[in-house]
Amino acid sequence: DAGVIQSPRHEVTEMGQEVTLRCKPISGHDYLFWYRQTMMRGLELLIYFNNNVPIDDSGMPEDRFSAKMPNASFSTLKIQPSEPRDSAVYFCASSDVDLLYYNEQFFGPGTRLTVL
Amino acid sequence: AQSVAQPEDQVNVAEGNPLTVKCTYSVSGNPYLFWYVQYPNRGLQFLLKYITGDNLVKGSYGFEAEFNKSQTSFHLKKPSALVSDSALYFCAVRDRGGSYIPTFGRGTSLIVHP
Repeated sequence: DAGVIQSPRHEVTEMGQEVTLRCKPISGHDYLFWYRQTMMRGLELLIYFNNNVPIDDSGMPEDRFSAKMPNASFSTLKIQPSEPRDSAVYFCASSDVDLLYYNEQFFGPGTRLTVL
Repeated sequence: AQSVAQPEDQVNVAEGNPLTVKCTYSVSGNPYLFWYVQYPNRGLQFLLKYITGDNLVKGSYGFEAEFNKSQTSFHLKKPSALVSDSALYFCAVRDRGGSYIPTFGRGTSLIVHP
């Protein structure tokens, strides 16, 4: 398996534009997580899905952020409109219930977002 | 509620010297504890875990961590640091009787000098 795949790896956009980040989890994993990493706040859990259903989105900072998982092999995180304070590295991670019991999540390489 | 603290933003150590990266935790019940490592421009990688049993846990790349219940700590250690160990290290905790979703610390940057 190629691991968790994220695209794009780098995104530079201007304030007010829509940004879409994409994630393909490891095949067979039924949990998917979106995290945001910044120097100021460290690693934050934004939202996670189980069997394509959002379970907890309490970490989503505001209504400008939305996430979907239309099927088991694809998820998106959208920011509309984007703001400079959204600049961060966004990680996607996947796991299954057995791995998750022992907190083994598999992280993608991340998307570095810069909003000018 | 569960939380984890990594009191040091950065740890500097000379190559060949022992290293320690500190982590303390707080949970309502009994903890499951974990360490992840993040190399530059990469995602987090699982390093080791404490579930139960021996308080000294051995993981990948020669790392180990010691669970200390009385001090609510789970410090990461390595007897002899390598320059290639330079990375960002995250401690995580979850309550054994609670949600499967862990809480991560802010991370500690380890810099090993040649």
